[in-house]
Amino acid sequence: DAGVTQSPTHLIKTRGQQVTLRCSPKSGHDTVSWYQQALGQGPQFIFQYYEEEERQRGNFPDRFSGHQFPNYSSELNVNALLLGDSALYLCASSLGTVSTEAFFGQGTRLTVV
Amino acid sequence: QKEVEQDPGPLSVPEGAIVSLNCTYSNSAFQYFMWYRQYSRKGPELLMYTYSSGNKEDGRFTAQVDKSSKYISLFIRDSQPSDSATYLCASIRTGFQKLVFGTGTRLLVSP
Repeated sequence: DAGVTQSPTHLIKTRGQQVTLRCSPKSGHDTVSWYQQALGQGPQFIFQYYEEEERQRGNFPDRFSGHQFPNYSSELNVNALLLGDSALYLCASSLGTVSTEAFFGQGTRLTVV
Repeated sequence: QKEVEQDPGPLSVPEGAIVSLNCTYSNSAFQYFMWYRQYSRKGPELLMYTYSSGNKEDGRFTAQVDKSSKYISLFIRDSQPSDSATYLCASIRTGFQKLVFGTGTRLLVSP
């Protein structure tokens, strides 16, 4: 049973560029949440997608946007990258919107130079 | 003030020791409490979660929640070098979707 898979694993971008990160949820899960984890910090909630709609959003600017596809996979897009966007981006999947049993992927390490 | 506070450590213990990891939280609306383990360069792995106050045991791990003092604990018995990782506590409000994490405590178990 494949767990949560994210791609790519590492990415280097230049300030001002745009980036798209991808996530495939665990088999049987229909909800995807995205988190940003800065070095030495806990993950911070970006947003959650369920039934192809954004259900809840954390304190992140509109530069962060997402999408969920009919097969439940999801993308995170970040526009106008800043140095401060450098972090580990985590995708978590769950069955339904309650995140008590959320499973995380290995993350995408984004470095903005 | 962060909603979930956690000592970043590192906490160093010898193999076989009982480990106590702790968090405090400020939001009385939190109802679910989770512990995640995160190895270096990996995503967090759910160890266990509890609802409201009380204890929950799973093998060598015991989670404890005291809502009156807003205190969350994870005990690890017979600690092993393979337990060396960062341990993250997280909380969630009923009806809300986002997990609120502490900063994580780094645990080092020496052979």
